[in-house]
Amino acid sequence: GAGVSQSPSNKVTEKGKDVELRCDPISGHTALYWYRQSLGQGLEFLIYFQGNSAPDKSGLPSDRFSAERTGGSVSTLTIQRTQQEDSAVYLCASSLGGTGGGTDTQYFGPGTRLTVL
Amino acid sequence: AQTVTQSQPEMSVQEAETVTLSCTYDTSESDYYLFWYKQPPSRQMILVIRQEAYKQQNATENRFSVNFQKAAKSFSLKISDSQLGDAAMYFCAYRRALSGTYKYIFGTGTRLKVLA
Repeated sequence: GAGVSQSPSNKVTEKGKDVELRCDPISGHTALYWYRQSLGQGLEFLIYFQGNSAPDKSGLPSDRFSAERTGGSVSTLTIQRTQQEDSAVYLCASSLGGTGGGTDTQYFGPGTRLTVL
Repeated sequence: AQTVTQSQPEMSVQEAETVTLSCTYDTSESDYYLFWYKQPPSRQMILVIRQEAYKQQNATENRFSVNFQKAAKSFSLKISDSQLGDAAMYFCAYRRALSGTYKYIFGTGTRLKVLA
């Protein structure tokens, strides 16, 4: 596609429910990233995919968070048993990946605003 | 561990004037990349400018330029001839240059207001 897309743009859920957030990267981008942005905070790295594998999951805050990527394209971030502190904007980015060079540029999606009541 | 610090939560600038946003970082690495991203109210993060640590020359992109001081671990962004459309959150980010390393570390951001 023309850019990174994310859905839904907004999600309101009740505490304890599970949610799935979707990211569609730019076509041909092998690298995909998930970040969390809480109010007044910077971007918190969650997980990075190269192809379908996740070499770095170090940012996932708890075992309630998981992510998968299939076909080297779409990724889903799942939060189980949501808590109020999970409320944030979840941003996805993609890049060409592969070489780790400085020219590798991340392109961000518009984010999903998650509100846990 | 690497850290990125933006000590100015908010800045204001008059339209057509120049403003400088500060960023400092901490790393033991000698080779890395530094970035400035802009996030307007639409939430879409946009790359503004990028600097390779091994390059002494400061990066420039039109009205945007950086002052990269490697020894001081400082990476400030200068916006010249500020425009209303420059109003946004600006994030400084760091990434190691090690091949296969893609983890970016972001600062907490500076909100820039442009006054007409």
